[in-house]
Amino acid sequence: KQEVTQIPAALSVPEGENLVLNCSFTDSAIYNLQWFRQDPGKGLTSLLLIQSSQREQTSGRLNASLDKSSGRSTLYIAASQPGDSATYLCAVNGAGNMLTFGGGTRLMVKP
Amino acid sequence: SQTIHQWPATLVQPVGSPLSLECTVEGTSNPNLYWYRQAAGRGLQLLFYSVGIGQISSEVPQNLSASRPQDRQFILSSKKLLLSDSGFYLCAWSVNGAYGYTFGSGTRLTVV
Repeated sequence: KQEVTQIPAALSVPEGENLVLNCSFTDSAIYNLQWFRQDPGKGLTSLLLIQSSQREQTSGRLNASLDKSSGRSTLYIAASQPGDSATYLCAVNGAGNMLTFGGGTRLMVKP
Repeated sequence: SQTIHQWPATLVQPVGSPLSLECTVEGTSNPNLYWYRQAAGRGLQLLFYSVGIGQISSEVPQNLSASRPQDRQFILSSKKLLLSDSGFYLCAWSVNGAYGYTFGSGTRLTVV
C-alpha cells in the first residue's frame, strides 16, 4: 500500500525566503506526482504535475523535482510572499490510477 | 476548457436527515470521477470513484453511497446522516490520471 509523507507538517518563514517542501512515497511504481495548494475552506488548486519519466517541472516561482527511484519529490518556492500562505499537498498517482495524498505542509509567510 | 462544479458550498443538516451532493463536469467526455472527504485536521480520504455511467467503486464502507446517472454527473448520498459524516467533501475528475486530477471547490457539511 502506497504511503506518502510530507515534511515539515508546518512552516513559518519571513517574506522573501526560498523554501523547500518535501514529499516521500514508499512505492516507486507511480505514473505521476502532483502538487496542490489548498487555501482554508477551499478546494485544491493544482500547481505542478510531474510525469514519472520527468525529473522536474517549473511554473513561475515554483519548481518541483521528482526522484522516482528514491521515492522523493521536493517543491521549491522562490522568494516567498504572504500570498503563498496555504497548505501544500503532495499526491502520488500509482496502482489503479489512484491518488494517494500526503498529510500536507501548512505554510505561513509573514510580511 | 474543462470545468467542475460542486454544490452546495455549505450545508448544515440534522442527524438522521438525508444527503445529496452533486458534482458535474463540463468540457470532457467519459471522465473518471471521484469523491473525497477531508475531516477536520485529517488528510484526504477517497470515498468513491467511477470510470463510467453506473459504475461505482467504494473505497471505504460507511454510511454513504454514490451514483453516476449521467456521464458527467456524480452524486454523493446518504439516507441518514451521522455526526461522523461531518467534513469537507471534494469531487474530482481525471482522464485516467495521465494529465493529473482537477478538484472542485468543495462542500462543507456540518451534521448537528
